[in-house]
Amino acid sequence: DAGVTQSPTHLIKTRGQHVTLRCSPISGHKSVSWYQQVLGQGPQFIFQYYEKEERGRGNFPDRFSARQFPNYSSELNVNALLLGDSALYLCASSLDLWGSEGTQYFGPGTRLLVL
Amino acid sequence: QKEVEQDPGPLSVPEGAIVSLNCTYSNSAFQYFMWYRQYSRKGPELLMYTYSSGNKEDGRFTAQVDKSSKYISLFIRDSQPSDSATYLCAMRVHMNSGYSTLTFGKGTMLLVSP
Repeated sequence: DAGVTQSPTHLIKTRGQHVTLRCSPISGHKSVSWYQQVLGQGPQFIFQYYEKEERGRGNFPDRFSARQFPNYSSELNVNALLLGDSALYLCASSLDLWGSEGTQYFGPGTRLLVL
Repeated sequence: QKEVEQDPGPLSVPEGAIVSLNCTYSNSAFQYFMWYRQYSRKGPELLMYTYSSGNKEDGRFTAQVDKSSKYISLFIRDSQPSDSATYLCAMRVHMNSGYSTLTFGKGTMLLVSP
């Protein structure tokens, strides 16, 4: 069974541009979460979606947005890119939100470099 | 004070050593405790998952949770060079507003030399 997949693997953008990152969860998983991992730090929570609805948002500016599609895949969008947005963007999926079924499994990430 | 504290290392050990990795936390609402392993430039891989206080063993790995002290540990027996990676502790709480997010430590870099 395939794990969480993310595309693209790497991306280089310039300041002010817009970027869209994509994630496909493990088959059967209904929840997708997005995290930002800056070099040398642990991942920071950005969004959680469950059954196509936003269920939680971390402390990130409105330049960050996301959505989940009927097939449970998800997109993360970042507008007006800043140098500080350079990071590894991780997608995690879980069967559900609660209990052991809330255990999150991560994809390989998309490495974004903003110049 | 950060919610989850983890020594970033690096921690260098010889092959075959027993490794002890630790995290402390301040939020008593955390309910679930995980250890993830992350190789360089890769996504985190789930190693261990525990809910209650006590020990959980899986092969060479043992996870330990002490909720009264707000302290969790991961022990690796007979460490191998392939264990060289960054180990992230993570904790989860189900928020009343209906979502469930992970809070991570900074990660400890482990280097196992042959």
